[in-house]
Order: sequence, then C-alpha cells, then structure tokens
Amino acid sequence: EDQVTQSPEALRLQEGESSSLNCSYTVSGLRGLFWYRQDPGKGPEFLFTLYSAGEEKEKERLKATLTKKESFLHITAPKPEDSATYLCAPKVGGATNKLIFGTGTLLAVQP
Amino acid sequence: DGGITQSPKYLFRKEGQNVTLSCEQNLNHDAMYWYRQDPGQGLRLIYYSQIVNDFQKGDIAEGYSVSREKKESFPLTVTSAQKNPTAFYLCASSTYLGQAGNQPQHFGDGTRLSIL
Repeated sequence: EDQVTQSPEALRLQEGESSSLNCSYTVSGLRGLFWYRQDPGKGPEFLFTLYSAGEEKEKERLKATLTKKESFLHITAPKPEDSATYLCAPKVGGATNKLIFGTGTLLAVQP
Repeated sequence: DGGITQSPKYLFRKEGQNVTLSCEQNLNHDAMYWYRQDPGQGLRLIYYSQIVNDFQKGDIAEGYSVSREKKESFPLTVTSAQKNPTAFYLCASSTYLGQAGNQPQHFGDGTRLSIL
C-alpha cells in the first residue's frame, strides 16, 4: 500500500532559524515527488517537482532534496511570510498522474 | 490571468439534498481533478478526467458524481448518498502527457461544504 508520512506535524521557528521538514514515502513506481505550500483557507500552491534520487531544487529560502525513500524541504533563514502548511505528494506509476498526499507540516515562523 | 476558479467559496447542504460545486479553468489543461481535504488527513482523490467526455473514479468516489462536457469545466455533485460531506473540496488541473507526464497539478482555492 502506498504511504506518505510527513514530520514533524507542526514546527515553530524563530525568524532566521533554519530547519528541515521530512517526507518519507513507500510507493510503487515513483514517478516524481511534488512539494506544495498551502495557506489557511486556500488551495495548495505548487513549489517543486523532483524526479530522481540526488536531485535538488531551490526557490528563495527553500531547497528540496530527494532520496530513494524520503524528501526534505530545507528552509534557510525563514521569515514570518513562510508560515504555512507544506505538503509533499509522490506521484505513483501509471498514466493517471495520481498523487499521494501527506498530511503536511504546519510551519509557524515568529518574528 | 490564467487560473482555476471554484465557486461558491462556502456551501451549505440540507439533508437529502444534492449540491453542485463549480470548477472552471482557463489554463488550457486537459486533465482535471477533484479532491477532498479533511482535518488531519491528506488530500484524497474523488474523480479525475484526462479528456473531455471521459472521467474515472478516484479513491473515494462513492456519493459523488461528475461530468466533463467542456475542456474548461469539471463540476462535482455531492449527492444525498454521501453521508459525511462536510469537508474542504479542491479542484485541480494539469497538462496531460500520459505515461511521460510529471506535470504539476495546479489548484483552485476550494469550496467549504457544511451540513445544515
């Protein structure tokens, strides 16, 4: 059975305090892994796609990495506007473009 | 600006009533999806459509129905058979490239459905 686990469930950081979010997965035939950011009451906003182990993507203060069993979202010197829920979603094999979503990590960055 | 529009933002359903959630996109995407989001759970796929006039059940299709008569539109009906409809419903779309596709899904801002 395809499974995705995100940790921690919630994380509180001080502004400028770097940290990492984890996404562990067990899926059949990984075809890529997607990271999204979701603000309260809004739909998820696409951040990154990672295709293969060893790949890294960066955007402003965020960097996503991928291994064969997990992905990390590193946040460097976060600001209060980085506060959101971060979702990871591996794409399983097949033509359906089916994503398996984790429950997310709720990040709060305090000034 | 291109995007996905979901309406209404809030919807209330009475017992025994069917309600329809609207989803329109102007991104020229072939594929469209409906998800349900509940507290403490990941997004779960209800239905998806890769081309006009074709759609498939997702993981939790019971109590829901869809149609895809136009490329831009993918409405979701929550029927009276869905006994626990209270949730946040999200519509998404993506370019469809078949087996080769790793295109991201882009989401609307959701409809929150509650029971009166």
